[in-house]
Amino acid sequence: KAGVTQTPRYLIKTRGQQVTLSCSPISGHRSVSWYQQTPGQGLQFLFEYFSETQRNKGNFPGRFSGRQFSNSRSEMNVSTLELGDSALYLCASSLVSGGAGLQETQYFGPGTRLLVL
Amino acid sequence: KQEVTQIPAALSVPEGENLVLNCSFTDSAIYNLQWFRQDPGKGLTSLLLIQSSQREQTSGRLNASLDKSSGRSTLYIAASQPGDSATYLCAVRLMDTGRRALTFGSGTRLQVQP
Repeated sequence: KAGVTQTPRYLIKTRGQQVTLSCSPISGHRSVSWYQQTPGQGLQFLFEYFSETQRNKGNFPGRFSGRQFSNSRSEMNVSTLELGDSALYLCASSLVSGGAGLQETQYFGPGTRLLVL
Repeated sequence: KQEVTQIPAALSVPEGENLVLNCSFTDSAIYNLQWFRQDPGKGLTSLLLIQSSQREQTSGRLNASLDKSSGRSTLYIAASQPGDSATYLCAVRLMDTGRRALTFGSGTRLQVQP
């Protein structure tokens, strides 16, 4: 079974631009979570989607948004990029959300490394 | 606010040694704790998941323990190999409805010398 895939793997943008990152979960998985990893802050939760609905949201500004499609694929968008948005963005999937899903392993993709100049 | 701390931040050992990585968390109301491995520039690979009702989990040379009451977990690696070199992260999932995403520690960077 194929793992979590993320595209693109690397991205260079300039301040003020916007960017869209894509995540395809493991086949059959319906929950997708996004995390930001930086050397200074470590891994921080962005948001979680399940059945096209945002279930949970971390403490990030409104410039960070996401969505999930009916096939469970998810995208996250960052508008008006700032230098501090440079990070590794990781997507994770699990079979379900809440309830039994809280007891499940999350499977992570390889990440998208974003550099903002 | 849940805080997850990992000690030590970095560790260098000769091949063959047994070693212990530590993880502590401040809020004991957790669903589970998960240990991950991250190779440089890569994503996370799940190693072990311990539910709150369990005391330990084992996979090959890895053994993870959980003491929820004291807010501690350890990852024991037996007979370390150079291929074990990576950053090891622990993460907890809280029971608090509004904070159920994984909360990560800052990791322990392990170097196993051949």
